[in-house]
Amino acid sequence: AQTVTQSQPEMSVQEAETVTLSCTYDTSESDYYLFWYKQPPSRQMILVIRQEAYKQQNATENRFSVNFQKAAKSFSLKISDSQLGDAAMYFCAYRSGLGANSKLTFGKGITLSVRP
Amino acid sequence: DGGITQSPKYLFRKEGQNVTLSCEQNLNHDAMYWYRQDPGQGLRLIYYSQIVNDFQKGDIAEGYSVSREKKESFPLTVTSAQKNPTAFYLCASCLAGGPNEQFFGPGTRLTVL
Repeated sequence: AQTVTQSQPEMSVQEAETVTLSCTYDTSESDYYLFWYKQPPSRQMILVIRQEAYKQQNATENRFSVNFQKAAKSFSLKISDSQLGDAAMYFCAYRSGLGANSKLTFGKGITLSVRP
Repeated sequence: DGGITQSPKYLFRKEGQNVTLSCEQNLNHDAMYWYRQDPGQGLRLIYYSQIVNDFQKGDIAEGYSVSREKKESFPLTVTSAQKNPTAFYLCASCLAGGPNEQFFGPGTRLTVL
């Protein structure tokens, strides 16, 4: 079974600075997808970014980018120019690329606080 | 607007009572999911359904039941057999396969007194 590990339960960043959230996963599959979701205090889950394992290029979405290291099974999220609205829980998630099954395996999450 | 609705937002029940949480989507998604979220535990999959009239157990299905009679609806029943039902419950849906993201509802906070 696949597992997703987020070893840091909490992190803090100064507004306008850059922060990196870590995620590692364990799988024997070669085809899969990785996601970062954000859960603000409203508790509404929002997709931040996704990465297809077959793509070597790291995904980017505005201030959010990933460092995808397939061999190391690492998928970290970098938030640049941090804003107060970035304060939230962030979850890393894995999905197998096999078949049509699209269920996600989540890490335990990391709480990010942003200092003004 | 398209989206996923969950009702109610807050639910209180007495111990020993069954309770049903509603989840409806108008995104025309084939797959639907129920997750449970507890502090420090992340999201854990309870049940999921890839197609109408079919569903599979997730990692923590004991004490829960579901039905999928319509594509748009995937209600979750928390039975009296669930030992620790107090939690935040999230419903999600997505198109089947590929890198398609799961879209989430706003959640239901269930408190068993």
